[in-house]
Amino acid sequence: QSVLTQPPSVSGAPGQRVSISCTGSSSNIGAGYDVHWYLQLPGTVPRLLIFANTNRSSGVPDRFSGSKSGTSGSLAISGLQAEDEADYYCQSYDYSLSGYVFGTGTKVTVL
Amino acid sequence: EVQLVESGGTLVQPGGSLRLSCETSGFTFSDNWMHWVRQGPERGLVWVSRINSVGSVSTYADSVRGRFTNSRDNAKKTLYLQMNSLTVEDTAVYYCARGAGYHLSNWGQGTLVTVSS
Repeated sequence: QSVLTQPPSVSGAPGQRVSISCTGSSSNIGAGYDVHWYLQLPGTVPRLLIFANTNRSSGVPDRFSGSKSGTSGSLAISGLQAEDEADYYCQSYDYSLSGYVFGTGTKVTVL
Repeated sequence: EVQLVESGGTLVQPGGSLRLSCETSGFTFSDNWMHWVRQGPERGLVWVSRINSVGSVSTYADSVRGRFTNSRDNAKKTLYLQMNSLTVEDTAVYYCARGAGYHLSNWGQGTLVTVSS
């Protein structure tokens, strides 16, 4: 059902850098629509992390960064911390569906 | 402080109907598009629908189009989702969210809809 594809899981040791990809198509990210990222800590509500590809939401540490290229977006977490263990979702707009689309979600595990 | 509080979720039989509400505060409700997003047992987020600031335009995901209807009362700062012909696949936590550009800046705590006989 998801139009945007993410790896199911990524992991890293504390202090390491991990990256999450978000692969779309020519009707969404490739059409120029921005990529946004949301964080969902265990048992909590999703919240905005990165908007418009590279912009951190209020209060988000600069360890989190986003980028976009072609039909894909990417979220990087540097200096990985135990509190970063969560599910991460990308989101964009798809003109062929005339609606918003989410990624499949990625679970980040801190080893 | 921005707050969105959903209500109305409950257990309903297949084929039944339900109306969800989302009461808001802390921002100018009438300035924003508003959205519904759901998260089913499989845990992924699925966008459901959106409505423009004055309530004249709504768009829906293919899976709910023709069954779900958005509405809003800007005087009450409240968003609604009328859900008809419910199926077990509609079982999910339903979140309302504030639109900002093409992203969702604030989310409610969610309300659980369970469709089961």
